[in-house]
Amino acid sequence: ELKVEQNPLFLSMQEGKNYTIYCNYSTTSDRLYWYRQDPGKSLESLFVLLSNGAVKQEGRLMASLDTKARLSTLHITAAVHDLSATYFCAVGADLQGAQKLVFGQGTRLTINP
Amino acid sequence: DTAVSQTPKYLVTQMGNDKSIKCEQNLGHDTMYWYKQDSKKFLKIMFSYNNKELIINETVPNRFSPKSPDKAHLNLHINSLELGDSAVYFCASSQDWGTGELFFGEGSRLTVL
Repeated sequence: ELKVEQNPLFLSMQEGKNYTIYCNYSTTSDRLYWYRQDPGKSLESLFVLLSNGAVKQEGRLMASLDTKARLSTLHITAAVHDLSATYFCAVGADLQGAQKLVFGQGTRLTINP
Repeated sequence: DTAVSQTPKYLVTQMGNDKSIKCEQNLGHDTMYWYKQDSKKFLKIMFSYNNKELIINETVPNRFSPKSPDKAHLNLHINSLELGDSAVYFCASSQDWGTGELFFGEGSRLTVL
């Protein structure tokens, strides 16, 4: 059974600092997704990574995928308060002939002025 | 236009009651899902339908019954509600031939008293 683990689960950081969120998964997959969720809101898609070595960047966020290590990272550069949210990684898995996404526990990121 | 819309957004009810949540997507996607997010923010898939056909049915009590009248709609009916059913239920959709990315509705917060 596919398991997805994020690290850390809680992260409090200062504005202007850099940090990385890690996403490990237990079985082979080449589909990895990052989502953002603000309190009481829906999940917003940030990145879709579909091959080994894929790297995508949007503003201060950069995501990468290493399928051999079964690891994805979400790097935050020069954090700003607006990036405070919960970030989820999700891994694509086939079940009963269909695809589903298995989510990590989420990383609650708080950025302090 | 909201891509994936759910109603109601909030639902407060007594134990033992029956309630339904409706979901509609206007993205032309083939597959729709129900996910449950518990109080610790953990997201777990419940059901998936492809073109009105049930394709994923995770270990969910029989009290939960999904119905898809057409590929743009997926409803969730819950019988004999229990305290543990309190959660946020998210509807999502995806395109079969795309990246597998899920597009989520705003969620329906169910509180069972």
